[in-house]
Amino acid sequence: EAGVVQSPRYKIIEKKQPVAFWCNPISGHNTLYWYLQNLGQGPELLIRYENEEAVDDSQLPKDRFSAERLKGVDSTLKIQPAELGDSAVYLCASSHSGRYNEQFFGPGTRLTVL
Amino acid sequence: DQQVKQNSPSLSVQEGRISILNCDYTNSMFDYFLWYKKYPAEGPTFLISISSIKDKNEDGRFTVFLNKSAKHLSLHIVPSQPGDSAVYFCAASAGPGNQFYFGTGTSLTVIP
Repeated sequence: EAGVVQSPRYKIIEKKQPVAFWCNPISGHNTLYWYLQNLGQGPELLIRYENEEAVDDSQLPKDRFSAERLKGVDSTLKIQPAELGDSAVYLCASSHSGRYNEQFFGPGTRLTVL
Repeated sequence: DQQVKQNSPSLSVQEGRISILNCDYTNSMFDYFLWYKKYPAEGPTFLISISSIKDKNEDGRFTVFLNKSAKHLSLHIVPSQPGDSAVYFCAASAGPGNQFYFGTGTSLTVIP
């Protein structure tokens, strides 16, 4: 079974530029998560999807961040414009829907904003 | 406001000995807890879980203990192996459908 796929693995951009991250969850997983992980910190939830619906986006900075999950499968997270403080690892995870389900994480995208 | 805390950033243990990783939480509504293991340049991988109706869960060399009154959980690895060297995160959730809050991680080094 293929795991969660994320691309790109690394991205370096200049501040004020836009950037997008892509995630393909494990087949059959209805729930998809985007997390932000700063250096020395644990993952922090940005947004959670149940199929194509964003059910928890309370921690997504909506002035510059946006996300979509068309057709309830792949998802894209976008930052526009990027700021220096956005440098971090962006993790995507997926799980089956339900009570408590193990989240499977992708390898993450390491973003560096110069 | 960090609701899940791992106060030890790092831990070194001799191979074959026990590793004990600790995690404290502040929200009494948390009722489900997970431990994840993370190698460099990889995403976290699920290790073991525990529900608040239990005080212990065991899976091979890994055991998680939950002390609800102290709002404390710990992960025991016995015996520790060099391949266990990684960053370990605990995470907690308050009810089904709610998000998991992660601690800051503990970097475990198992010395051969």
